[in-house]
Amino acid sequence: AQSVTQPDIHITVSEGASLELRCNYSYGATPYLFWYVQSPGQGLQLLLKYFSGDTLVQGIKGFEAEFKRSQSSFNLRKPSVHWSDAAEYFCAAGLDTGRRALTFGSGTRLQVQP
Amino acid sequence: DAGITQSPRHKVTETGTPVTLRCHQTENHRYMYWYRQDPGHGLRLIHYSYGVKDTDKGEVSDGYSVSRSKTEDFLLTLESATSSQTSVYFCAISESRGFNTDTQYFGPGTRLTVL
Repeated sequence: AQSVTQPDIHITVSEGASLELRCNYSYGATPYLFWYVQSPGQGLQLLLKYFSGDTLVQGIKGFEAEFKRSQSSFNLRKPSVHWSDAAEYFCAAGLDTGRRALTFGSGTRLQVQP
Repeated sequence: DAGITQSPRHKVTETGTPVTLRCHQTENHRYMYWYRQDPGHGLRLIHYSYGVKDTDKGEVSDGYSVSRSKTEDFLLTLESATSSQTSVYFCAISESRGFNTDTQYFGPGTRLTVL
């Protein structure tokens, strides 16, 4: 079955520190990959996406993600975290066939310490 | 931002009552989706639509029905609400006309409480 795993439920980092959020997928073929961010009480905002090509993808708000086929991973990174980055982050995957719905990971809640 | 609205934004209802949630888009996108979000589960697909009057089930479709009579509107109905359907419901849309167009955009969500 298709699945997306985010191993870290909760991460706390200090403001200014670097960040890496992990995401692994299990699909028969390479899926489209996404990272979304959800601030408290808000909807989901797309940070970045990977369809093909360059495996290092740049997104909004200074985020980037690297696709590693050998590890079935799509980890999200940011070199210097800001307090406003505190939110929940969701990795998602989908295919360009069939229903095209996304499979989401369970999310990682990021807390930023001053 | 994609033009997606959901109504109502908040609703409290009682067990056994029917509830209908509405998703409205102004993007003329072909695909529309209903997800529910619960702690520890991320978002899970309830139903989706790939065109007017064309719908299909997702992973958690039991107790839910949908209808799409117009491109812009996708309705989610809980025929007889239960406490297990207390959740935040998100509508999403995607264009899906070809390669690299399958990004999904999400509405603001509806928080439903079933007492």
